[in-house]
Amino acid sequence: ETGVTQTPRHLVMGMTNKKSLKCEQHLGHNAMYWYKQSAKKPLELMFVYSLEERVENNSVPSRFSPECPNSSHLFLHLHTLQPEDSALYLCASSQDSSLRWGKGGNEQFFGPGTRLTVL
Amino acid sequence: QKEVEQNSGPLSVPEGAIASLNCTYSDRGSQSFFWYRQYSGKSPELIMFIYSNGDKEDGRFTAQLNKASQYVSLLIRDSQPSDSATYLCAVNRGNYGQNFVFGPGTRLSVLP
Repeated sequence: ETGVTQTPRHLVMGMTNKKSLKCEQHLGHNAMYWYKQSAKKPLELMFVYSLEERVENNSVPSRFSPECPNSSHLFLHLHTLQPEDSALYLCASSQDSSLRWGKGGNEQFFGPGTRLTVL
Repeated sequence: QKEVEQNSGPLSVPEGAIASLNCTYSDRGSQSFFWYRQYSGKSPELIMFIYSNGDKEDGRFTAQLNKASQYVSLLIRDSQPSDSATYLCAVNRGNYGQNFVFGPGTRLSVLP
C-alpha cells in the first residue's frame, strides 16, 4: 500500500447505527486530518492530529469522535448520525515541523475518501 | 469576508489555450499556498505549492503569488480536456496543518 488509504470506500448507515471510518498513511507523516466535503461547499476541516496533539474544530457535533492510536492510523467513529451528515469524508496527512517555518510545505495528501450516506 | 475566495466558474477554455485560475485570501499572515485538482467523485490531488512572491513553474503549470495583493493564481498552458476538473486553492495560515483553509474551488472545462 502506498500513500493514504481509507476504508470503507462507501458506507450506508441508518441514523441509529454505529460505524467507524479508518484511515492509514504510508508516507511517514506526523499529522493526520479528517475533512468533510458536502455538495457545493468548501472542504471543512473536522479534526487534526498534529505532533501527537489533537486540535478540534469546535463546530463538529459530538456524534463524530476521532481516534488516533499512532501516527499512521486515524479513525472517525460515527453514532446517531443525521441525514445531513451524508457527504464525502476525506482523510489527509502531512509532515508538520516548526523547522519549516517560512519555507513552505506542510502540503497535505488525501486518501480516496469514504462516501457516506445516512438514511 | 471569506478566508479564501475563488470564482466558482465554470471557466471554459478551448483546448490548447491558457487557463487562468485566481484565488484571494484574507489573512496577511498566511505562509504557504497550494493548488489541488479534484476530478468529479475523486479526492483532491496536489498540483503544486508556492510560498515566495513571484512565479513557480512545473511543466504546464505556473503558480503566481502576490502577497501584497493577497492573491495567488494558477496558469495552465496548453490546456487539455483531461484538465477539466475543479481546482481548489488552499492557504496555510501558519506553521501547522491545522491552519489549512480551502477555497470553494473553480470548475474548469476545457473544450475539445
